[in-house]
Amino acid sequence: QSALTQPASVSGSPGQSITISCTGTSSDLGSYNVVSWYQQHPGKAPKLIIYEGTKRPSGVSNRFSGSKSGNTASLTIYGLLAEDEADYYCCSYAGNRNFVFGGGTKLTVL
Amino acid sequence: QLQLQESGPGLVKPSETLSLTCTVSGGSITTSSYFWGWIRQPPGKGLEWIGSIYYSGSTSYNPSLKGRVTISVDTSKNQFSLKLSSVTAADTAVFYCARQSTRDFFDFWGQGTLVPVSS
Repeated sequence: QSALTQPASVSGSPGQSITISCTGTSSDLGSYNVVSWYQQHPGKAPKLIIYEGTKRPSGVSNRFSGSKSGNTASLTIYGLLAEDEADYYCCSYAGNRNFVFGGGTKLTVL
Repeated sequence: QLQLQESGPGLVKPSETLSLTCTVSGGSITTSSYFWGWIRQPPGKGLEWIGSIYYSGSTSYNPSLKGRVTISVDTSKNQFSLKLSSVTAADTAVFYCARQSTRDFFDFWGQGTLVPVSS
């Protein structure tokens, strides 16, 4: 199984919105509505911020929003804050009880 | 609050077997709604799912690592373990253990442990 495709980097100014895409195939992301997104600050463990494509765990800001269309999922962050600067990873169920992550996207808040 | 903690040798030699244990506290590993997984991250690179286990012992592994990976569970100690055989320098990574919901996401993670592979 190949990694999901994410842009290597995105950037935005405080207060702006950005969107990170995550593209898979009909064998993984396209077939299952179970995309999750993780935020990872340097030297820290990943943190779940979106699950089942659009749902936020308790305690995660509503500035984070997930969506999916076909083989592509997206994470949108509204009202960028300096603390949002981190790496972001998507993950999809890939069938046969397997999972595949995206390559990760580095978000820079200008 | 659920906590996961990885433990194991800090250095492994090439061709040897990497062994790590994840200790779960603040909750039972036999909870029916969860699997328990291992994910790794080479320095400066992305996340890679290694495999997962249910408390019954049922496992699933990343096909790219199949044949080298074994995940086991010890419910009496509330622990699960990872063995990765025939390691090379390419296996150098931070290894994370995580709780995996049956709804297919990883909601609690250990802090991670760096395991260099070097002679």
